[in-house]
Amino acid sequence: GNSVTQMEGPVTLSEEAFLTINCTYTATGYPSLFWYVQYPGEGLQLLLKATKADDKGSNKGFEATYRKETTSFHLEKGSVQVSDSAVYFCAHFLTGRRALTFGSGTRLQVQP
Amino acid sequence: DVKVTQSSRYLVKRTGEKVFLECVQDMDHENMFWYRQDPGLGLRLIYFSYDVKMKEKGDIPEGYSVSREKKERFSLILESASTNQTSMYLCASSPSGTSAKNIQYFGAGTRLSVL
Repeated sequence: GNSVTQMEGPVTLSEEAFLTINCTYTATGYPSLFWYVQYPGEGLQLLLKATKADDKGSNKGFEATYRKETTSFHLEKGSVQVSDSAVYFCAHFLTGRRALTFGSGTRLQVQP
Repeated sequence: DVKVTQSSRYLVKRTGEKVFLECVQDMDHENMFWYRQDPGLGLRLIYFSYDVKMKEKGDIPEGYSVSREKKERFSLILESASTNQTSMYLCASSPSGTSAKNIQYFGAGTRLSVL
């Protein structure tokens, strides 16, 4: 089937620490991959995306690389800030399904 | 900026009530979606609509229906609310087609409690 699996949270880091949130997927075909972020009290907003193998999406210091061989799209940031505290969702999009398939979300808490 | 507006941030309803959740988008998007968000389960698709009066079931449509009479408005209806429908409901919209370039834009969510 088609699914997205993320590491369970919460992830608690100190400011300026390195962040990795793991995401793997299963899909029939070649999906496009996304990271969405949900700040407290808000809806989801797109953080970054990649549409084909070896593409790297990046935004606001976050990066993720589409790895077809490992079916992964891990989110990384070199130095997190308190303002990065949020819930992060990995998702994929398969042409023909019309809608995104989301992972369960990973809560990140960054302490000063 | 794209704006997706959900009419209520918080709702409290009683078991058996008929509940309407409203969503309006201002970017003339063809596609609109309803998801529910539950801890540990992420977002699950309830219904989506790709045109006025058109709808398709998502992954968990049971207990829900939808209405899209105008392009900008997509309503989620709980015909007879039950306690297991207590959840956060998120509306989203995207432009036409099935391209991955069609980013989905989300509203702030409606937190529904069914007592």
